Amino acid sequence: EDQVTQSPEALRLQEGESSSLNCSYTVSGLRGLFWYRQDPGKGPEFLFTLYSAGEEKEKERLKATLTKKESFLHITAPKPEDSATYLCAVQARGGTSYGKLTFGQGTILTVHP
Amino acid sequence: ETGVTQSPTHLIKTRGQQVTLRCSSQSGHNTVSWYQQALGQGPQFIFQYYREEENGRGNFPPRFSGLQFPNYSSELNVNALELDDSALYLCASSPGTSVFPSETQYFGPGTRLLVL
Repeated sequence: EDQVTQSPEALRLQEGESSSLNCSYTVSGLRGLFWYRQDPGKGPEFLFTLYSAGEEKEKERLKATLTKKESFLHITAPKPEDSATYLCAVQARGGTSYGKLTFGQGTILTVHP
Repeated sequence: ETGVTQSPTHLIKTRGQQVTLRCSSQSGHNTVSWYQQALGQGPQFIFQYYREEENGRGNFPPRFSGLQFPNYSSELNVNALELDDSALYLCASSPGTSVFPSETQYFGPGTRLLVL
């Protein structure tokens, strides 16, 4: 069964203090790994899709990287508006639950001014 | 371009009742997926529809059912509501092709369901 584990569960940073969030996964053939941002009471907002080990993608202060067993979301010089829950999800090739995203429990990021 | 929309935003039901939640997919998207998100947890996959056919299902009982319409909008129906069904229900749409009907999924704002 596909599994995703995110760490830490919660992270508190000072504005400008860079850090990384971890997403460890096991999947029977990775089709894609996805990062989403979720604000309280809202739906997840798409950030990145990564397809193969070694791939990297960047957007503003965020950079996502992928290895065969984990993904990192690096946050450089974060601002208070980066505070949110960050969700990681994997999609497997084939299987009976086609299209299924398996999510981790998320990392709650709080950035203090 | 209009994003994914869901209705209603909030809903309160009592145990044993039935509920229907609605979703309009993003323009140009023909695939809709539904997820249940309990408080403090990641979303759990319920099922996916591609061109009006169920295309995959997670570990949810048959009292969770769905439909997709010719305009690619979708409904999630839950019968015999239980207290544990209280959650945020998320709809996601994706462009899809016949070979890769999933691609990146874009989420709506969700419907918050409370079962008393």
